[in-house]
Amino acid sequence: GAGVSQSPSNKVTEKGKDVELRCDPISGHTALYWYRQSLGQGLEFLIYFQGNSAPDKSGLPSDRFSAERTGGSVSTLTIQRTQQEDSAVYLCASSKDRGGVYGYTFGSGTRLTVV
Amino acid sequence: AQSVTQPDIHITVSEGASLELRCNYSYGATPYLFWYVQSPGQGLQLLLKYFSGDTLVQGIKGFEAEFKRSQSSFNLRKPSVHWSDAAEYFCAVVPIKAAGNKLTFGGGTRVLVKP
Repeated sequence: GAGVSQSPSNKVTEKGKDVELRCDPISGHTALYWYRQSLGQGLEFLIYFQGNSAPDKSGLPSDRFSAERTGGSVSTLTIQRTQQEDSAVYLCASSKDRGGVYGYTFGSGTRLTVV
Repeated sequence: AQSVTQPDIHITVSEGASLELRCNYSYGATPYLFWYVQSPGQGLQLLLKYFSGDTLVQGIKGFEAEFKRSQSSFNLRKPSVHWSDAAEYFCAVVPIKAAGNKLTFGGGTRVLVKP
């Protein structure tokens, strides 16, 4: 597509439930990133996929968080047993290359609210 | 420690006045440098980027930024602010040789524009 697409745009879930957030990157972009934006925490890196390489999971805050990228395209971020502190906007970005020379294109995000 | 700092959390400026947003970084070597803007409820949009060469970089929406190696700074400027420039601005870096080349963001500066 023309841009990075994220769904849903808003998600309200009950504490303890699992959620899946989807990111559809720009066609042909080999790099895909997930970030979390929460009040008081700024923009926090979560995970990075580059082609067929093993993902960089160094930013995932706990083992309740996981992500996969199928076929080098669509990615799903899964949060298990959601907690209230997981409430945030989850942003996905993609890039043509691993070096960021062309910049990163961000989606509009998924606003997650855990009640 | 490697870091990106935006010293000003909030800035209020009158419409038509000039704007300067500060960004300082702390890395062993000059990283790639970016400025992003986030309007309310929107994703992040790339304003401009610096990799090498001319230290004054022109971006979209009339913004420019100047890289100063001696000060480890990459400040963003606009000569005359429009009401539509009210947004949050993020400075970001990618360490050139870091594995994964992930963007690290400053804490952001929220710009309010007075009529």
